[in-house]
Amino acid sequence: DSGVTQTPKHLITATGQRVTLRCSPRSGDLSVYWYQQSLDQGLQFLIQYYNGEERAKGNILERFSAQQFPDLHSELNLSSLELGDSALYFCASSVVPGFQETQYFGPGTRLLVL
Amino acid sequence: DQQVKQNSPSLSVQEGRISILNCDYTNSMFDYFLWYKKYPAEGPTFLISISSIKDKNEDGRFTVFLNKSAKHLSLHIVPSQPGDSAVYFCAASGGSGTYKYIFGTGTRLKVLA
Repeated sequence: DSGVTQTPKHLITATGQRVTLRCSPRSGDLSVYWYQQSLDQGLQFLIQYYNGEERAKGNILERFSAQQFPDLHSELNLSSLELGDSALYFCASSVVPGFQETQYFGPGTRLLVL
Repeated sequence: DQQVKQNSPSLSVQEGRISILNCDYTNSMFDYFLWYKKYPAEGPTFLISISSIKDKNEDGRFTVFLNKSAKHLSLHIVPSQPGDSAVYFCAASGGSGTYKYIFGTGTRLKVLA
């Protein structure tokens, strides 16, 4: 158990809908990262937060947004969902977004868009 | 452009033998490399890492080798055990200032009893 929690574990929804994925980092970790893993692909970086502020963006669509709250949990919002958004979404956390800092991953949320 | 590549989608090894998983990268700015293991329905679990200032790091049965001139790293598991059967991802970071990880597509290891 990495100490990173994600809810829900599974989500089934329809095209055009909006969903929210939640992540709680390990105790003491200030930085949260979101990754997407599509079928048979590696994990693709989406966005990073540090202590409530956005630090970096990767391949995140404009339909997606995220935030990190004062209690350090983070939410990833996916809207106007398309079939191609079906994937595993992972959250990771680290103490700080620092040089050679190891990220610890949650169990993921599996999203299926029908 | 795939900056981190794992060219072997799968690997089968007999229990007790050595497993060698390979990873190539293209970005010379990467300075930190990691291996994660992933079981079905679970998140990636950190295994071992190596800084670019080293060429080897060892942790129990797991050893990571880094060849900077070839832009290649490998993970050795000795001896391999059936519980090692999983998907292994290599990841790299550095140079971007964001500390994000760039992942390979993974190698599925099967250790045969």
